[in-house]
Amino acid sequence: DAGVTQSPTHLIKTRGQQVTLRCSPKSGHDTVSWYQQALGQGPQFIFQYYEEEERQRGNFPDRFSGHQFPNYSSELNVNALLLGDSALYLCASSWRQDGRYEQYFGPGTRLTVT
Amino acid sequence: DAKTTQPPSMDCAEGRAANLPCNHSTISGNEYVYWYRQIHSQGPQYIIHGLKNNETNEMASLIITEDRKSSTLILPHATLRDTAVYYCIVRVGLGNTPLVFGKGTRLSVIA
Repeated sequence: DAGVTQSPTHLIKTRGQQVTLRCSPKSGHDTVSWYQQALGQGPQFIFQYYEEEERQRGNFPDRFSGHQFPNYSSELNVNALLLGDSALYLCASSWRQDGRYEQYFGPGTRLTVT
Repeated sequence: DAKTTQPPSMDCAEGRAANLPCNHSTISGNEYVYWYRQIHSQGPQYIIHGLKNNETNEMASLIITEDRKSSTLILPHATLRDTAVYYCIVRVGLGNTPLVFGKGTRLSVIA
């Protein structure tokens, strides 16, 4: 089992550009959540996708959008990049097992905005 | 905002028990206590969770006070590989609700 995979590992973009990050969930998982982790801080929830729809959203602007595909993989898109968007972006997948959910995290994508 | 308070850092000698405290004085009756850890350059990893009873698994033990206002994560025999940031999280129910992370405790295991 490959676990949660994310691509790319690292990315450097310029202010104003757009970026797409990708996530493949753990086998059998149907829900994907995205988190942003700034340096020295804990991860902050961006949004969650289930059945190809955004189900929950954190306090992030509309510049952050996502998509989930029929195979449960997901993309995170960020438009009009700001310097403050520099962070580690984490994807977590989950599914209902024994009446509860556990979130399994990928290694993250390190985004640097210059 | 996170509903938990943790010390920013702790040290532990290799082979000794690491006891990581967490305060969650405003916890509600339907909220669980979860612990995750994040080893450098990796995503957070689930450790354990509990509601009101003490819990133990292959990684750690979780001790929750009777009033549920605080808890302690115990790593019985810490190794160098346990060096990480440990997050205590209060979460409603067992559903797929988002995890709300604070800054956690940076545990350094020293040889």
